[in-house]
This record gives sequence, C-alpha cells and structure tokens, in this order.
Amino acid sequence: AQTVTQSQPEMSVQEAETVTLSCTYDTSESNYYLFWYKQPPSRQMILVIRQEAYKQQNATENRFSVNFQKAAKSFSLKISDSQLGDTAMYFCAYRPPFNQFYFGTGTSLTVIP
Amino acid sequence: SQTIHQWPATLVQPVGSPLSLECTVEGTSNPNLYWYRQAAGRGLQLLFYSVGIGQISSEVPQNLSASRPQDRQFILSSKKLLLSDSGFYLCAWSPGVAYEQYFGPGTRLTVT
Repeated sequence: AQTVTQSQPEMSVQEAETVTLSCTYDTSESNYYLFWYKQPPSRQMILVIRQEAYKQQNATENRFSVNFQKAAKSFSLKISDSQLGDTAMYFCAYRPPFNQFYFGTGTSLTVIP
Repeated sequence: SQTIHQWPATLVQPVGSPLSLECTVEGTSNPNLYWYRQAAGRGLQLLFYSVGIGQISSEVPQNLSASRPQDRQFILSSKKLLLSDSGFYLCAWSPGVAYEQYFGPGTRLTVT
C-alpha cells in the first residue's frame, strides 16, 4: 500500500528561524516523485518543491530545501529564515510512475512574529 | 501559461438537492484531471481522476460522480447531496505522469 505519513500535526517557529517538517512514505517502487505543497488560509494549494527519486541531489527553492533519504523513505522540508507568510498547512505528496497522487494529512505551521 | 478555474467558489445546498461543480483548464491539452475533497482541518481525499475524455476513475464509493465531456473540462456531480458531502472541493490538473499537480482555487460546499 502506498501511504504518506506526516507525524507533526502542528508546529511553530519564530520569525527568521529555521524549521523542519517531517514526511515518510511507503512504497515498493524504485522510481517516483515527491512534492511539498503549501496551503495558506486562502486554501489555494501551492507547489513548494519537487524531488525526483532517481536524483541524489536534494532539491532547493530559495528558502525551501528538502532532505531526501531514499533508503529511509524520508522526505523532510526545511524552511530557512521563516517569514510570516510561511504560515500555512504543508502537505507532503508522493507520486509513483502512474497517475495516482498520495497526500499526507498535513502539518499546520505557524510563524510567530 | 496554464490556468485552472473552478466555480462556484462557495455553495450552500440543502440535503437531497443536486450538485454540479465545474473545473476548466486553459493553456494546455490532454491534461490529467483530478477531484479532491478536503474536510475541515484534514488532508486531501482523492475522489476521481481522468486521463482523457470520457475516462473516469473513481477512488471512493459515494453518491458523487464525475464526467469529462471535453478535453479540459471536468465536472463533479451528485443527484442527492448528503450532509457528509460538505467540505472543500479542489480540482487539479497535471501535464502527465511525471509531473506535479496544479490546483484550482476550490469550492466550499456546505450542505444544510
């Protein structure tokens, strides 16, 4: 079964600090894709970052980076220099090499001024 | 550039009434299309996905149905709404197998 687990329902971080959100997944596939999505209070889902499983290098997008550990099936998101606009729900998602997406239950992140 | 539209943005319907939510994508052809439901404070539940006109895959048995009458149009329907159908409905599209999904703004449905 394909599952995505986000074990931290809620987190908080001080503005300008760094925070890491955890995600683990279960799969028997060797090639797949991983994503982090952000859902602010507006509820618009926004793609934050993607990682291809065949790439060993961790993806980065400005202040957002991932720590991809394929053997451990772990895909954490690090947010550096946290800003108030980072306050949102964050979803980890896994996509095997066919059409289905699998989402975690989300982590609610609050950035404290 | 590609854009995805959903309407209506908000809907309040009585139990037993029909439902029709529409999603359209612009700027691309033959997208994969998806309908999700998100209950308050919860994750995303995949309801339907489509890889082409008339091709619909259902993930969760329920009183909802989906149709894809045109390449870039995806419709979510119900003949009789239940209270449990309340939630936030998101449409998404993807260029293909190896790509991420892009989401519409969502429809907030309240069944009273």
